[in-house]
Amino acid sequence: EPEVTQTPSHQVTQMGQEVILRCVPISNHLYFYWYRQILGQKVEFLVSFYNNEISEKSEIFDDQFSVERPDGSNFTLKIRSTKLEDSAMYFCASRLDLRGYTFGSGTRLTVV
Amino acid sequence: GQNIDQPTEMTATEGAIVQINCTYQTSGFNGLFWYQQHAGEAPTFLSYNVLDGLEEKGRFSSFLSRSKGYSYLLLKELQMKDSASYLCAGLDSNYQLIWGAGTKLIIKP
Repeated sequence: EPEVTQTPSHQVTQMGQEVILRCVPISNHLYFYWYRQILGQKVEFLVSFYNNEISEKSEIFDDQFSVERPDGSNFTLKIRSTKLEDSAMYFCASRLDLRGYTFGSGTRLTVV
Repeated sequence: GQNIDQPTEMTATEGAIVQINCTYQTSGFNGLFWYQQHAGEAPTFLSYNVLDGLEEKGRFSSFLSRSKGYSYLLLKELQMKDSASYLCAGLDSNYQLIWGAGTKLIIKP
């Protein structure tokens, strides 16, 4: 069964450093998402991406965040200057149609 | 505003049946999802309802009432591996998922 692949599974970074979280969505999917989940809290929407541009973003997705689809297969989330409160699980998801939201296994980001 | 409400925690016995309720308020409505999430893992898809009624899939069933803004997930013949959080998520008019905080289901032998 097709999967959404995320790397790395766990990243530890120092406060103020830049991090790039990588995702390979399912190849024929058209819509791509990043969500995050702070430990013990609900899943939060960050950004959606369609047709090579951001289609929607939340208040969380400020100027410190950016997304790219550099080569038609990867979908990356960059955090320019990490803060302690950015520590969370970051999930990438992709979909072709309404039913087909498929989530990656997540990247656990720890900012120290 | 948009909101999804579900109980924080439920406990049930192995082999029994449990119903997890969810009420939703979304800007527009394009369906309701249930996901299962084990600790430290990604949510995995269980069900999607967009029309009123009950959809059954093995031991799991999901029900939707659009007029009441209400859904439930029914789990039968509970197994220990069903211990997890169950997330209710509504799909709004922009096709964004609005997430509940999840219901932690504890299964006891």
